[in-house]
Formats: sequence, structure tokens, C-alpha cells
Amino acid sequence: QVHLVQSGAEVKKPGASVKVSCKASGYIFSNHGLTWVRQAPGQGLEWMGWISAYNGNTKFPQKLQGRVTMTTDTSTSTAYMELNSLRFDDTAVYYCARGKGYSYEDFLDYWGQGTLVTVSS
Amino acid sequence: DIVMTQSPDSLAVSLGERATINCKSSQSILYSSTNRNYLAWYQQKPGQPPNLLIYWASARESGVPDRFSGSGSGTDFTLTISSLQAEDVAVYYCQQYYTTPLTFGQGTRLEIK
Repeated sequence: QVHLVQSGAEVKKPGASVKVSCKASGYIFSNHGLTWVRQAPGQGLEWMGWISAYNGNTKFPQKLQGRVTMTTDTSTSTAYMELNSLRFDDTAVYYCARGKGYSYEDFLDYWGQGTLVTVSS
Repeated sequence: DIVMTQSPDSLAVSLGERATINCKSSQSILYSSTNRNYLAWYQQKPGQPPNLLIYWASARESGVPDRFSGSGSGTDFTLTISSLQAEDVAVYYCQQYYTTPLTFGQGTRLEIK
């Protein structure tokens, strides 16, 4: 069965960077895109971007352009999301989620357990 | 960006009764060449990631109980739970995947009356 297992919670200072991993299993990694979504405490869901596990193409929202990087390691079926220049309002649970197909315009059928990133001085 | 607006923000329904959640998009998310609405519904329970319930506005994900159904087209959509069970207490989100940035509704909290 499909599993997405994320790395553990992180505490970072403002201005630092954080890198969250998402290890996939139970399916052919390159056949699906991976989307990252975050959820601030008590808030709704925010799309952070998408990466193709097939060719590494990425798509990001304008508000995060230049601050977020997404990569994959097909040898270990792992996706990574790195967020730079952290601010207090980046405190959130970060989720990776599998797209049903190849495209960034897709619904999300499997989700990781989430990684809490806390930005605190 | 396409804005997704859900109503109501919260809802209390008696066990066994029908629950209805609405979602409106700021522009049509019906792709004419495929005649498909690019809308999904998710359920999120406390401390858990979202769980896909419905995609293409009305297609039920495998394993989702048939008391959950989705309807609507263009800009107006509805998630219906035909007979509320205790385990359905959760926050429900709609999401459009018609175009990036993908956007979600603000969520509807469903409780037992």
C-alpha cells in the first residue's frame, strides 16, 4: 500500500532554513507528482508547490517564489522541500501529498503524516 | 487566484440526519474540453492529515462510505453526508485543481448536535 513518511519536527530561528523529507513507498515514484501543503496552527490549507517525480519540474505560488525549493531523489523515492529565510508566520504543519497523476493540476490521494516546523527566537 | 468559499463555517447536525456543505469558486472550474469539474473534497480529523473523499466533483474515492456524495458544476458545489455518523465529526475542505495556485476553501467544521 502507498505510504508517505515525513521527517520529524523542527524548531528554527527566524532567517534560518528548513528541509523536510517525504519518503514514498508502495507505488512507482516517477508516475506521480508530489505536492506540498502547509497548515498554520488552527488554520486552513495552503498550497506550497509541486514537483514532478518524473523529471524534476516544479511549480510554485508567486508568494513563495525564491524562498522554496523542491527536489526529489528517485534512487530512494524521497522528495524534499526546503524553505529559506524563515519567518514567524512560516510556523505550520507541512504535508507532502501524492497527486493522482502526473500534473500539478491534480487532486491529492495520499498524504504524509505532517511535519511541524516551529519558527521561534 | 481562484477563491474558494465554503458555507457554513460550522455546522451541527443530529446523528442519522443529513449534512450539507457548500463550496463556491470565484470562477468556473469546469474544463469544457473534458466536461469535468476540477473540484475535490477532503475530510480532516484532529491531528491527522486531510483524507480525500471526492474528486471530479462527484467521484467517490475508493473506500469512502457511500453516505458521502458530491454534486454541482461550474462554480457551485455541494458535499452531502446522507446520514451523519459519529466518526464524521471533522473539518471538511473543498479544493480546486483547475489551475495553479491550487486553492482550498477555508473549511467547514462539522459537529454532532
